[in-house]
Amino acid sequence: GQNIDQPTEMTATEGAIVQINCTYQTSGFNGLFWYQQHAGEAPTFLSYNVLDGLEEKGRFSSFLSRSKGYSYLLLKELQMKDSASYLCAVREVDNQGGKLIFGQGTELSVKP
Amino acid sequence: GAVVSQHPSWVICKSGTSVKIECRSLDFQATTMFWYRQFPKQSLMLMATSNEGSKATYEQGVEKDKFLINHASLTLSTLTVTSAHPEDSSFYICSARKGSVSNQPQHFGDGTRLSIL
Repeated sequence: GQNIDQPTEMTATEGAIVQINCTYQTSGFNGLFWYQQHAGEAPTFLSYNVLDGLEEKGRFSSFLSRSKGYSYLLLKELQMKDSASYLCAVREVDNQGGKLIFGQGTELSVKP
Repeated sequence: GAVVSQHPSWVICKSGTSVKIECRSLDFQATTMFWYRQFPKQSLMLMATSNEGSKATYEQGVEKDKFLINHASLTLSTLTVTSAHPEDSSFYICSARKGSVSNQPQHFGDGTRLSIL
C-alpha cells in the first residue's frame, strides 16, 4: 500500500517563493512526479525525481530524499497564473511497469 | 510533445444509461493506459490500468462489471460506465505512458465530466 501526504492548501504572494512538501510511504518506489492542475482541467507534468537531490526547471525545482520519503516542489517568482492545485504522485512498482498514485493535492492561492 | 486526446469532454445523461469514454494517444503508442476518477476538491483516484490486448487490472473497490475497459489497440482505450447512476457523476481522466517504465511521465487527456441526472 501507499500513503502520500501534502498540505491541503497554501497561500503566497505574487513574486515570492513557496515550497510545497510531500511525504510518502510506499512498498515499491520508482520515482516521484509533480503535476499542476487548474480547476476543471487535466494535470500537466512539472517534474520528475527518481534519485536524491534537486532537479531544476526554470521557476520550478523539485527535491527528493528517498531515505526520508520526502519531496518538495519549489516555485520561485510566483505569478498569479500559478494559482492551481499541485499534485505529488509516486510511481509504485508493479508487474505492469508501474502506476502513479496521487496525493490529495495542495491548493495554492497566489495573491497580489 | 506527447498528446492524449479524450472524448467526449462533457456528458449529461439520464440514470441507467451506459456511457463510453475514449482515450487516444495521438503521436505515440501506449502499451499501458490508466483511468482515474476525480471528485470535486479531491485528488485523482486510480481506477484501473489498461493494457493493450489483455484484461485491465482494477484497483481495490472498483467494480469490473460497472466500469468496462477495452484497450483494443496501442493508441485507444475505452471506459464504459454501465447503467450509470448519480453517484457515478465525476471527472474521469485517462492517461498514457510513452514507452516502458524508465523515467517517462504519464500524459493526461483533458478529462470527461460526467453528470448523471
